[in-house]
Amino acid sequence: QKEVEQDPGPLSVPEGAIVSLNCTYSNSAFQYFMWYRQYSRKGPELLMYTYSSGNKEDGRFTAQVDKSSKYISLFIRDSQPSDSATYLCAMTFTGGFKTIFGAGTRLFVKA
Amino acid sequence: DAGVIQSPRHEVTEMGQEVTLRCKPISGHDYLFWYRQTMMRGLELLIYFNNNVPIDDSGMPEDRFSAKMPNASFSTLKIQPSEPRDSAVYFCASSLSGGAINGYTFGSGTRLTVV
Repeated sequence: QKEVEQDPGPLSVPEGAIVSLNCTYSNSAFQYFMWYRQYSRKGPELLMYTYSSGNKEDGRFTAQVDKSSKYISLFIRDSQPSDSATYLCAMTFTGGFKTIFGAGTRLFVKA
Repeated sequence: DAGVIQSPRHEVTEMGQEVTLRCKPISGHDYLFWYRQTMMRGLELLIYFNNNVPIDDSGMPEDRFSAKMPNASFSTLKIQPSEPRDSAVYFCASSLSGGAINGYTFGSGTRLTVV
């Protein structure tokens, strides 16, 4: 079993839709949870990070962490064609220096 | 800052040849990571350095792979001899204090094709 599981998609939605992206993980020691966005032929870039459980909002993006279920989510409101990219969840431990990435979910937002 | 700079952007080589990938991290970042990305396996950590010292190379697939960081502004990943299954996109990333809070800054990657 992989430490971090993420559905690779692809996920195709119309412009303006609410998008929900999810990951599950197996190691309860993870404390920092991140979402990266990767455009085609580019490196991943950090979108949001959350420490421990709870929600965090940044504009149209909301990250949620449910440690009891070992489940994290990223919600995108009012999705735009420019949101079309691969979204990778990532996590690490307190004091850890090795981040574990999910496989990434490809998202297509159609105009 | 120009970000993390990787070279070359693309590399096509024949099986058995030596390949050297290069990375210049962001100035002041104390961690440097080498990742490999494929459709099948996603993003895999190969090795990481802290203050130029290799800390964990458990992800390096075989002895054919080696990495060095002679100073704070330069690192190389070498594959010798290369094989077709090494074809992938190789990313270098750097971070301040491990990346748990600040995240990693990735380069644009080197797309390696071994024929």
